[in-house]
Amino acid sequence: DQQVKQNSPSLSVQEGRISILNCDYTNSMFDYFLWYKKYPAEGPTFLISISSIKDKNEDGRFTVFLNKSAKHLSLHIVPSQPGDSAVYFCAASGENNDMRFGAGTRLTVKP
Amino acid sequence: DGGITQSPKYLFRKEGQNVTLSCEQNLNHDAMYWYRQDPGQGLRLIYYSQIVNDFQKGDIAEGYSVSREKKESFPLTVTSAQKNPTAFYLCASSTGTGEKLFFGSGTQLSVL
Repeated sequence: DQQVKQNSPSLSVQEGRISILNCDYTNSMFDYFLWYKKYPAEGPTFLISISSIKDKNEDGRFTVFLNKSAKHLSLHIVPSQPGDSAVYFCAASGENNDMRFGAGTRLTVKP
Repeated sequence: DGGITQSPKYLFRKEGQNVTLSCEQNLNHDAMYWYRQDPGQGLRLIYYSQIVNDFQKGDIAEGYSVSREKKESFPLTVTSAQKNPTAFYLCASSTGTGEKLFFGSGTQLSVL
C-alpha cells in the first residue's frame, strides 16, 4: 500500500504562472517531507523540505506547504519557467529514516 | 569530487543468474538506500541501511539482498528469485533522519 501519493500524473502551466503540485500521505509517523526533481535516466535532485513542526518553508521561487491534519503537502513554484519542466517527486520519512516516494508528477511549463 | 557512484550504468541478466549492482559513496554518510523505478512509476524502496552492518527491508525486498560491511559501500544483489528484475535502480545516501538524499546516476537492469 502506497504511503505517499501523488494523484496527478501530469500538470501543464504557462510560463510565468504558478505551478501547484500536490501530495498526500497516509502514515502519521512521517515527520519529514521533501520534494525532488528528476530528469529521465538520472537520479532525483533535492529541491526543498519541511519538517512536521512547520507549515511553510520557502526557498526562492519554491514554497512547500504542509497541512498535518489533512496529511497533505503541496509545492508551489512561482513564477514557473520552462527549465522547471521535469518530474517532481514528493517524499516522506519518519524517525526510522525510511524515505518513501510518491509516483511523481510530470510538470510541463510552456513558453 | 564527492558523490555517489553506481556501476555499471547498464546491466543484462540471464535467466537464473544473480547480478550485483555496485554503490559507493565518499560523502561520509551513515544512511544508504536502494530504490527501484519502473517506467512511468515512482521510486519504490528495496532496502535501506542506517549504519554499517545493519540494514532493513523496504517495501519490495523479496528477490533482493544487500550487505553493508563498509560505510562507503552498499551493494545490491538481484537474485534469480526476482522474477521481474527489469527496472532502473537508484542508490542514495544521506547524513541521517529526515535529511535529503543524494542519488547516484542509476543502473538500468534488463533481462536477456
